[in-house]
Formats: sequence, C-alpha cells, structure tokens
Amino acid sequence: DTGVSQDPRHKITKRGQNVTFRCDPISEHNRLYWYRQTLGQGPEFLTYFQNEAQLEKSRLLSNRFSAERPKGSFSTLEIQRTEQGDSAMYLCASTPDSKAFFGQGTRLTVV
Amino acid sequence: GENVEQHPSTLSVQEGDSAVIKCTYSDSASNYFPWYKQELGKGPQLIIDIRSNVGEKKDQRIAVTLNKTAKHFSLHITETQPEDSAVYFCAALITGGGNKLTFGTGTQLKVEL
Repeated sequence: DTGVSQDPRHKITKRGQNVTFRCDPISEHNRLYWYRQTLGQGPEFLTYFQNEAQLEKSRLLSNRFSAERPKGSFSTLEIQRTEQGDSAMYLCASTPDSKAFFGQGTRLTVV
Repeated sequence: GENVEQHPSTLSVQEGDSAVIKCTYSDSASNYFPWYKQELGKGPQLIIDIRSNVGEKKDQRIAVTLNKTAKHFSLHITETQPEDSAVYFCAALITGGGNKLTFGTGTQLKVEL
C-alpha cells in the first residue's frame, strides 16, 4: 500500500493523559499536513511541514499540541494533558503540490 | 482568511438520478478546488479537482464546474448508484500560500434504491 498511513486508527484516553499519533506520508511527497475533523464538520487545518521544516501553525493548535517531522519522512502529533474538547478525528495528508491525499485518520476519544 | 460555504447539508436522490452539490468561496485568490468523498470512519478521498483556469472538468459520471466571477463551484454526479452514498466535501486553496485547504461543511448524499 503506497497511500498515507496513520497509526493508531483509534485511541481512547483519559483526560489529562498525553497521546501521540504517527503519520507516514506517500514517500515522494515533501509536504505533510495535519487536520482535525469534528463530527459533522469539514477538516480544519492544524499545521504543515515542507520536508522537516514546520512552516505554519493554525491558531487552533494550542501550546498543548506539538508536531514533528524529524527526517522529513514520517510525522508525529502529540497532545499533552488531553481535554474532552480534543476528541476528534486527526487526519494527515501529504502532497507533492496542491493535490492532497489523506490517510484514514486517528479517531481520538478523551473520557 | 478563506471561507467556503456548501449546500445542501443533506441530499437524498433515487438511484439513477443526478445529484448536484454547490459551494461558494470568499477569497478571489483561491485557484484550486478539489472535491472529496468521505465514507464513515475513513479519511477523505480525492475524487475530482479543478483549477481556476478551467471552467469545467469531467471524469466519467462526475463533473465539476467553476464560475470564477461568482465564486461558485459545483459537483455533478450523474446516474447515481448506492455506492455514491457518502459525505462530500468541497475545498478551496491558494497555491503557493502554504497550500492549505479550507473545507466546506459537507453534504451527506444518500442514494436510495
């Protein structure tokens, strides 16, 4: 499978715990994006990387969120001290230009 | 920033009929407009896209039209089939400006037998 891969698919965590998600983009794509999607809404931009450089962060990305792409390949998104409002689908997309290809997402539930 | 509005929020059609979903965007600098299909529990899948230098694009039963003057674009699905049932999202993007997508709120399409 040469598509965008996300792990885990589902995560249930207790409020206050830290969680980390991983995204493996399509190998030749130099841009990687994180989006968040809540029920009944379209995905909302969180942050993006060109190679290993994080070039933009949305104001939606509070200081409890951090993302990395250390070698310009896979990326991780960490949420510290999770809150119930963090419950959402976290989507990763990669693109060589403007066409964005999404992974299956990580569904986070904070209880 | 860009704002994308999408209508209708739900659409029910009989199998074989056509379905049309409409979107408007606010930023005249937007120049790339993709459409995504999202099935339950899955990520969005790119189904068709159009750039601002083109007025219409077709791919089998799917077509997209763009009216730059009115800042409208639409998705047309002909001869609908039950497997077309899903949530459809339009999006807009300004190329060269980070290429981040602004999505509409989605249309739940149900194709009834």
